[in-house]
Amino acid sequence: QKEVEQDPGPLSVPEGAIVSLNCTYSNSAFQYFMWYRQYSRKGPELLMYTYSSGNKEDGRFTAQVDKSSKYISLFIRDSQPSDSATYLCAMSYPQGAQKLVFGQGTRLTINP
Amino acid sequence: SQTIHQWPATLVQPVGSPLSLECTVEGTSNPNLYWYRQAAGRGLQLLFYSIGIDQISSEVPQNLSASRPQDRQFILSSKKLLLSDSGFYLCAWSVVLAGSYEQYFGPGTRLTVT
Repeated sequence: QKEVEQDPGPLSVPEGAIVSLNCTYSNSAFQYFMWYRQYSRKGPELLMYTYSSGNKEDGRFTAQVDKSSKYISLFIRDSQPSDSATYLCAMSYPQGAQKLVFGQGTRLTINP
Repeated sequence: SQTIHQWPATLVQPVGSPLSLECTVEGTSNPNLYWYRQAAGRGLQLLFYSIGIDQISSEVPQNLSASRPQDRQFILSSKKLLLSDSGFYLCAWSVVLAGSYEQYFGPGTRLTVT
């Protein structure tokens, strides 16, 4: 069993829709959670970072963490064609080297 | 502000040839540094990480090696490339700070071994 599971998609939605991206994890030691956006042939870009259960909002993006269910989500409101990318979840447990464990990534397309 | 550079951006190399990919970070001191490989349609696989000069940890046995000759320079090498070494190589850095675990990625190097 992988430590982090993420549906690879692809996911295709119309412009303006609310998008929900999800990851589940098996290791309860994970304490820090991140979402990255990766455009084609580019390096991943950090979108959201959170370490507590609950919601964290940044503009059109909301990150949600449920540690009791070992489940994290990223919501995108009023989705735009420029949001078309692969979204990777990542998580870390406290240790010296700050290593991250990544999900496989979900490929998202927003259709105009 | 911090900046991370990788070069070259793309590389096509024959099987059996050597490899050297370079990564440098600007605007921060004593960062943790990481090399990842991303196969097509796959997630990121951590290859090496470094917490300081000449301090390298390998995550998976493979045909590659890493070195950190200077604080903000990280090099990925191979003596003889295999076809399976093809992929998108990403360098990342993180600040060494309690409670801070996010990593920041460079633009990547796309390697094709022929």
